[in-house]
Amino acid sequence: QVQLVQSGAEVKKPGASVKVSCKTSGYTFTAHYMHWVRQAPGQGLEWMGWINPNSGGTNYAQKFQGWVTMTRDTSISTVYMDLSRLRSDDTAVYYCAREYSSSWFDSWGQGTLVTVSS
Amino acid sequence: QSALTQPASVSGSPGQSITISCSGTSSDVGGYSYVSWYQQYPGKVPKLMVYEVSNRPSGVSNRFSGSKSGNTASLTISGLQAEDEADYYCSSYTSSSTWVFGGGTKLTVL
Repeated sequence: QVQLVQSGAEVKKPGASVKVSCKTSGYTFTAHYMHWVRQAPGQGLEWMGWINPNSGGTNYAQKFQGWVTMTRDTSISTVYMDLSRLRSDDTAVYYCAREYSSSWFDSWGQGTLVTVSS
Repeated sequence: QSALTQPASVSGSPGQSITISCSGTSSDVGGYSYVSWYQQYPGKVPKLMVYEVSNRPSGVSNRFSGSKSGNTASLTISGLQAEDEADYYCSSYTSSSTWVFGGGTKLTVL
């Protein structure tokens, strides 16, 4: 079955960077775009961007352009989300979510809590 | 890209029906059939409930149904049950090849 397993919780200081991984299994890695979505405490879901695991192409929400980098390693079926210049309001749970049929998110990682605090 | 507009909260009694709206623009909700709905319990991962406006994934109760008119999509839950109490989010593809979520709606079963 499809599985998305994310890396563990992180605590970072303001100004630092964080890299969250999402290891996939149970399907053809290059056949589905992967998205990153975050959720601040008590807040809603916020779409950050997607990566095409086949080509490495990306598209980020305007808010995150210049600030987020999504990459992939096809040899280990893993995608990564790197967020730089962290601020306290970047404290959130970050999810990877698999896109299906160019339309919806059918499988989600378990989430990674990133806490930004001095 | 602004978030889609959802009511912050809705409520209903067991057995009743409720509808959650999701308003966007012609560049997102109104322009595509790629509207989906997600259910999220506190501290849990979102779960797909409806895709492509009105389709239900296997295993989702037929009490959940979706529709769209113009720039507004809707999720209707009929025969409300206590287990339906959760947060609900809509999502849409956009003309910029991006996605956008609604602000979320908290459903309370009275």
